Amino acid sequence: GENVEQHPSTLSVQEGDSAVIKCTYSDSASNYFPWYKQELGKRPQLIIDIRSNVGEKKDQRIAVTLNKTAKHFSLHITETQPEDSAVYFCAASIALNQAGTALIFGKGTTLSVSS
Amino acid sequence: GAVVSQHPSRVICKSGTSVKIECRSLDFQATTMFWYRQFPKQSLMLMATSNEGSKATYEQGVEKDKFLINHASLTLSTLTVTSAHPEDSSFYICSAGAEKQFFGPGTRLTVL
Repeated sequence: GENVEQHPSTLSVQEGDSAVIKCTYSDSASNYFPWYKQELGKRPQLIIDIRSNVGEKKDQRIAVTLNKTAKHFSLHITETQPEDSAVYFCAASIALNQAGTALIFGKGTTLSVSS
Repeated sequence: GAVVSQHPSRVICKSGTSVKIECRSLDFQATTMFWYRQFPKQSLMLMATSNEGSKATYEQGVEKDKFLINHASLTLSTLTVTSAHPEDSSFYICSAGAEKQFFGPGTRLTVL
């Protein structure tokens, strides 16, 4: 089955610096890779996603890159702000026997942005 | 994005009792919903896939008789933790969506 590895587990940066979180996956059939942000005690929120036919996607300060050959994808946050502090999860899709897909999550990265 | 609600947000129960958690998609129909379990400072572990009108699909290691799932309509899935024990205490969270998954707010279960 699919296995998603995420690094680092914790990341501390100064406000204004960039943060990069990396994930690898094992199932070459996976074709959808979302990133979620989870603040303490709250639900995960989808912040950006990428499909396997695209190598990079940007949304303001957030970008995701995908290397399908190497089976890894990364989240890049530029000009970090204290409110970016949260746990970030990457995920990879797996096909279900019936229609639809499920997500397998990485273990998460706790990002701390200090001002 | 789509809205998913979950009820209750928090429940405390005695060991041996059963607890039902509801997950609703408020503004879209969901033939498939997912149930996750999250321990403190850990990742989301997929427990099962809830399929409208048919049996749920459980992940390896998840007891189907312990965690009963019912998906009777296109907007509601329920998870019942039967004969709960302290080790079942956790954060249970559902999600729904065709490809983009939207999460409910979660249910904090504490079994005394």
